[in-house]
Amino acid sequence: DAGVIQSPRHEVTEMGQEVTLRCKPISGHNSLFWYRQTMMRGLELLIYFNNNVPIDDSGMPEDRFSAKMPNASFSTLKIQPSEPRDSAVYFCASRRTSGVTDTQYFGPGTRLTVL
Amino acid sequence: TQLLEQSPQFLSIQEGENLTVYCNSSSVFSSLQWYRQEPGEGPVLLVTVVTGGEVKKLKRLTFQFGDARKDSSLHITAAQPGDTGLYLCAGDSGAGSYQLTFGKGTKLSVIP
Repeated sequence: DAGVIQSPRHEVTEMGQEVTLRCKPISGHNSLFWYRQTMMRGLELLIYFNNNVPIDDSGMPEDRFSAKMPNASFSTLKIQPSEPRDSAVYFCASRRTSGVTDTQYFGPGTRLTVL
Repeated sequence: TQLLEQSPQFLSIQEGENLTVYCNSSSVFSSLQWYRQEPGEGPVLLVTVVTGGEVKKLKRLTFQFGDARKDSSLHITAAQPGDTGLYLCAGDSGAGSYQLTFGKGTKLSVIP
């Protein structure tokens, strides 16, 4: 089975531009997570979806960030307008929630550079 | 806010040496997970420890969960260059929580 798929793998953009990151979770998984990783702050949870519904977006840094999950096989994270401080590696992870400690499977990440 | 402190932040050792990295918190976790992340890739789960005092072994890696379920350690015996990577611990507060709290990681370099 394919793992979590993210695209693009690398994105370089200029400040003020819109950026859209894409994620395809593992088939059959019902939970999806977006994380951001930086040297300073480590791995931070941005938003969590369960059964395509956003459950907790308290980690989204500000209104410039938005995320959608229109169906079980696709999610997007959008930044508009982008700023240099948004430069980071963004990970998508999915899991099948079974009520015990569940394994999250991470995608390879999107390295975003905002100039 | 639950925090996980990992130490050391960086570790560079020669092939064949032993090492231990630590993950500490003032909070109690229902379980704790260890991940390894290689450059350009996402974290990959190595192990989950659930019971206080639990010890799990994965080949040359030994994981221990503290009795009070607030801390954990990872010991690697006879490190190999293939062990190089970023080791992350993540705590699950349980009670139906979906959220993992991640430490910032220990970056390990094993020199041949």
